[in-house]
Amino acid sequence: ETGVTQSPTHLIKTRGQQVTLRCSSQSGHNTVSWYQQALGQGPQFIFQYYREEENGRGNFPPRFSGLQFPNYSSELNVNALELDDSALYLCASSFLAGGPDTQYFGPGTRLTVL
Amino acid sequence: RKEVEQDPGPFNVPEGATVAFNCTYSNSASQSFFWYRQDCRKEPKLLMSVYSSGNEDGRFTAQLNRASQYISLLIRDSKLSDSATYLCVVSRDDKIIFGKGTRLHILP
Repeated sequence: ETGVTQSPTHLIKTRGQQVTLRCSSQSGHNTVSWYQQALGQGPQFIFQYYREEENGRGNFPPRFSGLQFPNYSSELNVNALELDDSALYLCASSFLAGGPDTQYFGPGTRLTVL
Repeated sequence: RKEVEQDPGPFNVPEGATVAFNCTYSNSASQSFFWYRQDCRKEPKLLMSVYSSGNEDGRFTAQLNRASQYISLLIRDSKLSDSATYLCVVSRDDKIIFGKGTRLHILP
């Protein structure tokens, strides 16, 4: 296993609600990236945090926001949930703000929006 | 046009056969290329990086063709455990783009 953990494993919310997903990075890693993977699709990059600052963002609206804490764990917050937000949310940690081959993925949080 | 395109499959292949996937990318400024494997309801895991000179890891061979903007993955002597979705990944600067993946089913 990678040492990257995510919580919760599964979550069911209703449209309009807000959700917070959590990620604990692998020991020694200072960068966390978040991805959204809808059913039948590849993961889509949401944003990356490096040393507590946002370091790159994909094409996601502002209602997707994040935080990174001094221990390098991270949160993904999604406001005003929409049905299309139903997906597997993956976080990946790495030591430096590098490419995919330096990242280790967590098991993901499966979010269902009703 | 999607920046990274893959045939979604599924590819149904008998055990022991050789199977190849291609992935095309549209941005010539793309810098790094990878193949990931994703098992059902699991996270993606790096299978191998892809270099211009081609690279091999056991039964797996990856190739990059920058002129035609595609990468390929060849699996020889396929095993039942190779059944998974194979994701093509392209990166440049701070952007990391995954393809939709190609589903592979190895048949006993």
